[in-house]
Amino acid sequence: GENVEQHPSTLSVQEGDSAVIKCTYSDSASNYFPWYKQELGKRPQLIIDIRSNVGEKKDQRIAVTLNKTAKHFSLHITETQPEDSAVYFCAAEGGTSYGKLTFGQGTILTVHP
Amino acid sequence: KAGVTQTPRYLIKTRGQQVTLSCSPISGHRSVSWYQQTPGQGLQFLFEYFSETQRNKGNFPGRFSGRQFSNSRSEMNVSTLELGDSALYLCATRLAGDYEQYFGPGTRLTVT
Repeated sequence: GENVEQHPSTLSVQEGDSAVIKCTYSDSASNYFPWYKQELGKRPQLIIDIRSNVGEKKDQRIAVTLNKTAKHFSLHITETQPEDSAVYFCAAEGGTSYGKLTFGQGTILTVHP
Repeated sequence: KAGVTQTPRYLIKTRGQQVTLSCSPISGHRSVSWYQQTPGQGLQFLFEYFSETQRNKGNFPGRFSGRQFSNSRSEMNVSTLELGDSALYLCATRLAGDYEQYFGPGTRLTVT
């Protein structure tokens, strides 16, 4: 089955810096790659996603890139703010696993004011 | 539009008991997926339902089961509870044919 590896597990940055989180996946049939943000005690919230026919997608300060050949995708947050502090999860879905998201282990992002 | 709701929000059970959790999807969403979240294992897929049919199942023992009703509401049941079943159980719903999954607030289950 699908396996998703996420790095780093923790990331600490200063306010205004950029943050990059990377994920690799194993199933070449995967074609949908969302990113979720989870604040303490709250539900995961979809912040951005990308499909396999697109190499990059941007939404204000957040961008995601996908390299299907290398089977990896990354989340980029620019001009970080303290409210960006949370746990971020990458995930993959596709092939015969419709409806099933396979998640990475999560990255704890801390943005220091 | 109301979001995904889950009931109850918190639950404490004893080993050996069984529990039923409920998930009400966003209006119009017919697909419901269930996930277990623990500090050690992260977010793991349990099963997915669409039009009252289980379409996909994760690697969990048969003690974990679910169902979906004609109004798309879904329930999951865990029988013979074990300490290791303590977790946050999340459901996520989506429109038919779409990929984006939207999560409910979860049910925090504690097994003592």
